[in-house]
Amino acid sequence: GEDVEQSLFLSVREGDSSVINCTYTDSSSTYLYWYKQEPGAGLQLLTYIFSNMDMKQDQRLTVLLNKKDKHLSLRIADTQTGDSAIYFCKTGGSYIPTFGRGTSLIVHP
Amino acid sequence: DAGVIQSPRHEVTEMGQEVTLRCKPISGHNSLFWYRQTMMRGLELLIYFNNNVPIDDSGMPEDRFSAKMPNASFSTLKIQPSEPRDSAVYFCASRGVSGNTIYFGEGSWLTVV
Repeated sequence: GEDVEQSLFLSVREGDSSVINCTYTDSSSTYLYWYKQEPGAGLQLLTYIFSNMDMKQDQRLTVLLNKKDKHLSLRIADTQTGDSAIYFCKTGGSYIPTFGRGTSLIVHP
Repeated sequence: DAGVIQSPRHEVTEMGQEVTLRCKPISGHNSLFWYRQTMMRGLELLIYFNNNVPIDDSGMPEDRFSAKMPNASFSTLKIQPSEPRDSAVYFCASRGVSGNTIYFGEGSWLTVV
């Protein structure tokens, strides 16, 4: 089966940039996704990137894709306390969605 | 849009009792997923339905767990008998015919004591 790997925790200071990384094994994904889970809630789609792109910017969010290395990253500029959440990487090649374990982003003052 | 609706939101039950979790997917969606989330194991896919038919139930932990989807607008996940190690957040999610985006419910927070 497909594997999606993420580090479990990331701690940053408010105002700094956060970079959350993900590696995956399935190279057939047409889209790759980032989901965000706020405390006490379900996962929500945050952003995505088409597999023929290497970068996508959406306000404070930048998604970088290195297809050769099967590496996806999410950069959050000017991280705020409201960005504290669990961030999940998801691939879409298989009909069965595969999520990473999630990276808990902790933002401290 | 109503989104994916799950009930109950919270349940505390005693070991050995039957637990039934309910899900109403987004209208028109034809794929439904049940996930379990714990600190130790992260987000695990339990079962996946397509057009009300179970396609992959390899994630169902054991025979105590069962899931049904009698129609396109309703699914249940049942645990009988429940055990303390079943304590987790159970998410239902759905996906449309032409989409890749998965929409999650708010989750059912289960505590078995």
